[in-house]
This record gives sequence, C-alpha cells and structure tokens, in this order.
Amino acid sequence: AQSVSQHNHHVILSEAASLELGCNYSYGGTVNLFWYVQYPGQHLQLLLKYFSGDPLVKGIKGFEAEFIKSKFSFNLRKPSVQWSDTAEYFCAVNYHNFNKFYFGSGTKLNVKP
Amino acid sequence: DGGITQSPKYLFRKEGQNVTLSCEQNLNHDAMYWYRQDPGQGLRLIYYSQIVNDFQKGDIAEGYSVSREKKESFPLTVTSAQKNPTAFYLCASSMANYGYTFGSGTRLTVV
Repeated sequence: AQSVSQHNHHVILSEAASLELGCNYSYGGTVNLFWYVQYPGQHLQLLLKYFSGDPLVKGIKGFEAEFIKSKFSFNLRKPSVQWSDTAEYFCAVNYHNFNKFYFGSGTKLNVKP
Repeated sequence: DGGITQSPKYLFRKEGQNVTLSCEQNLNHDAMYWYRQDPGQGLRLIYYSQIVNDFQKGDIAEGYSVSREKKESFPLTVTSAQKNPTAFYLCASSMANYGYTFGSGTRLTVV
C-alpha cells in the first residue's frame, strides 16, 4: 500500500525562526501533492498544491514547498514563522493510478512568541 | 457560499447505539470521503464514494456504514460494532484530482 511519511511529529520554534517540515511518499506513479493546515479549533485548509511544472510552489501566508521527484519528497518551508502559524500541518498525496488520497500523520507546530 | 456542511459539531452516544453523522456539499463535486482523525495518527480513510449510489471501503471501514443516494449528501453511520468510536470525523469532497475541500468536522464522544 502507498504511504506518506511526516517524520516530525511535533516542532517547537521561536518567532522569526525558519521552518522546514519533511514529507516523503512511497512510489506509485504520477502524483499530485498537497499540504493542508489545521489551525486550533478550525477545519483543514489547503495551504498549497503541486500538479506539474515548477517544482517550487508557493502557497498562502508565505509558505512554499519543493517537489524533489528523485527523493519522493515534498517538504514545506517558511523563512520566518509567526505565532499565528501555530497549527497542525498535513502532507497529502493523490496517486493517479489509485485515485486515492493518502495523508501523513501530521506535524504539530508550536511557535513561541 | 459553496462548501461542505457537517452536522452536528458535537455528538454524544451511549454505548450500543448507532449514530449518523451528516455531510452535505453544494460544490457539485463527484467524490466524497469520510476520514477519522485521532491524535498522532493523522487522517484515516473510512469510506469514499466517487459517484452516486456507489461507495468503497477505506482503510478502517469496520463498524461504519454509508450511503450515497444523492450527489450532495454522504451520511456516515457509526454502528455499535465500532469498538472505539470516540474521535473527530471529517467529511471531504473533491473533483477529480484537484484536492479536497473539508467540512468543519464532528466530534463524537461515547459516554
């Protein structure tokens, strides 16, 4: 079965620190890649997505992610985090061959003011 | 506004009872999904439906049932056979491979 791995389960940063959250997925052919964010008490929202083209994609709120095909990775980055970025972040992969989405287990980010 | 509506937001169930969680969407999306979210385990797929009157089991379908009689609606029933039903349940819909739109969730607690 396909799988998506997020190795960082809980990350604690101070404001203005740089962020990188890892996401790796198992091989399964053509994929679309997503990062979702869930702020405390709110529902999941799409942060950014990759379908094709430039492997560096920019999302909302200053987030970006880089698709590295050879490493099966889609890491999320932000140069300078804010307290308001405190949330749980989920990586998701849609495998075209299986027409199913697979989610990572999530990374809780806690930004200290 | 287009979106997904889940109700109720909070639900309490006595052991041995069946309960049904509602999910309605007005996005004209073909596919709908139910996920269960538990701390530290991410989202796990319960059931999904790609067209009306058809649905498939996900990874953790035991103890759950669904129906898809209308494109807009995909209710989930948590039966008494589900051994550990206390969780946060998320409904989502999608069009092709373009990503999900999620509802706000229902928190189910067994008392």
